[in-house]
Amino acid sequence: EDKVVQSPLSLVVHEGDTVTLNCSYEVTNFRSLLWYKQEKKAPTFLFMLTSSGIEKKSGRLSSILDKKELSSILNITATQTGDSAIYLCAGVKQGKVGAGSYQLTFGKGTKLSVIP
Amino acid sequence: NAGVTQTPKFRVLKTGQSMTLLCAQDMNHEYMYWYRQDPGMGLRLIHYSVGEGTTAKGEVPDGYNVSRLKKQNFLLGLESAAPSQTSVYFCASSYPGRYTFGSGTRLTVV
Repeated sequence: EDKVVQSPLSLVVHEGDTVTLNCSYEVTNFRSLLWYKQEKKAPTFLFMLTSSGIEKKSGRLSSILDKKELSSILNITATQTGDSAIYLCAGVKQGKVGAGSYQLTFGKGTKLSVIP
Repeated sequence: NAGVTQTPKFRVLKTGQSMTLLCAQDMNHEYMYWYRQDPGMGLRLIHYSVGEGTTAKGEVPDGYNVSRLKKQNFLLGLESAAPSQTSVYFCASSYPGRYTFGSGTRLTVV
């Protein structure tokens, strides 16, 4: 059974702090790993990572995948109150039905709270 | 540029009632998915579809049925709602490797 585990489950930091969120995965036919930010509604896409090991960056956020350790980290520097959200990671696998179908296995998420 | 649209946004059902959740996407994506999200459980796949007329079971399919009669629409049905189906339901569509989610339907079964 595929499994994605995120840690910590919740985190409270002060504005300006740097945080690292962790995601480990055990996914058969692994294709990639996705990071999402979820505020009150739908998850919004942050990064897609593959086994190439290339770091992805977007502003104060960055992420990288370690294919040997089967894990990924999401870093947020100089945190702001607007970073408060649940951060989800998901392992993407080749689906059983259809050559192009992809299934996601989500972790339970890390709830980040940034206080002024 | 609507993306993925879910209707309704909120609904309260009585145990035993039936309802259909509609998901519509305007991105011409082949693949569509229904997830449920419960506190402390993350997102779990209910059913998915790889194209018009095809559907497949996900991780938690029991108590749900789906249909994909048109490429742009993916319907999720509850024939006889149970309190255990109280959840937030998300639809998503994708091209390989990247998903776009709808804004969710909050369903309460009393």
